[in-house]
Amino acid sequence: GESVGLHLPTLSVQEGDNSIINCAYSNSASDYFIWYKQESGKGPQFIIDIRSNMDKRQGQRVTVLLNKTVKHLSLQIAATQPGDSAVYFCAENKGDRGSTLGRLYFGRGTQLTVWP
Amino acid sequence: DAGVTQSPTHLIKTRGQQVTLRCSPKSGHDTVSWYQQALGQGPQFIFQYYEEEERQRGNFPDRFSGHQFPNYSSELNVNALLLGDSALYLCASSLGFGNQPQHFGDGTRLSIL
Repeated sequence: GESVGLHLPTLSVQEGDNSIINCAYSNSASDYFIWYKQESGKGPQFIIDIRSNMDKRQGQRVTVLLNKTVKHLSLQIAATQPGDSAVYFCAENKGDRGSTLGRLYFGRGTQLTVWP
Repeated sequence: DAGVTQSPTHLIKTRGQQVTLRCSPKSGHDTVSWYQQALGQGPQFIFQYYEEEERQRGNFPDRFSGHQFPNYSSELNVNALLLGDSALYLCASSLGFGNQPQHFGDGTRLSIL
């Protein structure tokens, strides 16, 4: 069936180190992926997205890598800061039965904790 | 530029009651999706509205219904509330067709007693 999941539920890193959060997906028909950050008491915040015709996309301090061969997605955060502490979700965006309106399938999330 | 706004922020109801949650999309967005997020889980898709019609629906019973207004704002209605309906209800907006990022509000925390 369709599922988006994460390899690790928690990740602890030292301030200044780089963080890598992984995600596996099972639906090979998915063509668009989004990473979200969710802080306590808030809604998911858009970080970065990537389409299936790309392998890599960079933003400010973040990079998303997509490996379609093994259906794997990762989010890299450079020079991790205490403000990066949050739950990170990858989401797979796919419409039903050919619909061009996407719907998001979320995994469980990874709790990132940054230590000073 | 206002983002997605939801009201109320918190709500307490009892079993069997009905509830209406409201959402105003981000400026310029015309599509609204609703998600339910249980504690410690990722959001689960409920349904999506575009041009005032329900376009897609997740695996939720008919007790969950919605509406979209001409100004693109939306409501989520839940009838005959169950204890299991306690969750954070999130609204996300996006721009029409194609793969576009969905932007979320901070949700309504619904507690059923």
